[in-house]
Amino acid sequence: DQQVKQNSPSLSVQEGRISILNCDYTNSMFDYFLWYKKYPAEGPTFLISISSIKDKNEDGRFTVFLNKSAKHLSLHIVPSQPGDSAVYFCAASGFNAGNMLTFGGGTRLMVKP
Amino acid sequence: NAGVMQNPRHLVRRRGQEARLRCSPVKGHSHVYWYRQLPEEGLKFMVYLQKENIIDESGMPKERFSAEFPKEGPSILRIQQVVRGDSAAYFCASSQHLRVDQPQHFGDGTRLSIL
Repeated sequence: DQQVKQNSPSLSVQEGRISILNCDYTNSMFDYFLWYKKYPAEGPTFLISISSIKDKNEDGRFTVFLNKSAKHLSLHIVPSQPGDSAVYFCAASGFNAGNMLTFGGGTRLMVKP
Repeated sequence: NAGVMQNPRHLVRRRGQEARLRCSPVKGHSHVYWYRQLPEEGLKFMVYLQKENIIDESGMPKERFSAEFPKEGPSILRIQQVVRGDSAAYFCASSQHLRVDQPQHFGDGTRLSIL
């Protein structure tokens, strides 16, 4: 019963193009969503987040979109850079769902020079 | 400006031994979370602690696993009588407040290998 799913295990993008990473969730108690980036042998690093009262949050090259009715969020990276190559995890939390983070399985992004 | 510190980074144990994983949260953070990542999977919540209290251990196996966060010193995740299936990366995270909009900061993990 995966409550947060990332259906694409990997994504390959050319440098300078847009990377779009997708995430779906099932638990309607989630009201806060986060994206973490993870390099091998390191811990996840917080990237960007969005509250359920918004549908978009932007921070530099990173934008997260939230579609509550579809229970879907996406992370856009524009322009993609080789240093963005990492595993990206979508995570969800909510005060009434427990403050712990529920993670998706991750998407490995490869940005080719 | 130290982040979350976990040690050891790598731990090798034989079946039946005990594993003790330590986590020092960011200075000033009183909320600690432990997560486990099996190979090729996402992180799974295990336990949430505040100083001297276990708040939520719903993700922790009922047997062999225990966690503590004493008044002084690091948080400890203890696994008794380890089995091969315990091989995983164990991550600790901390936050300053109990608020969903406060991102948790993660350590670099302890990679536990069971021979």
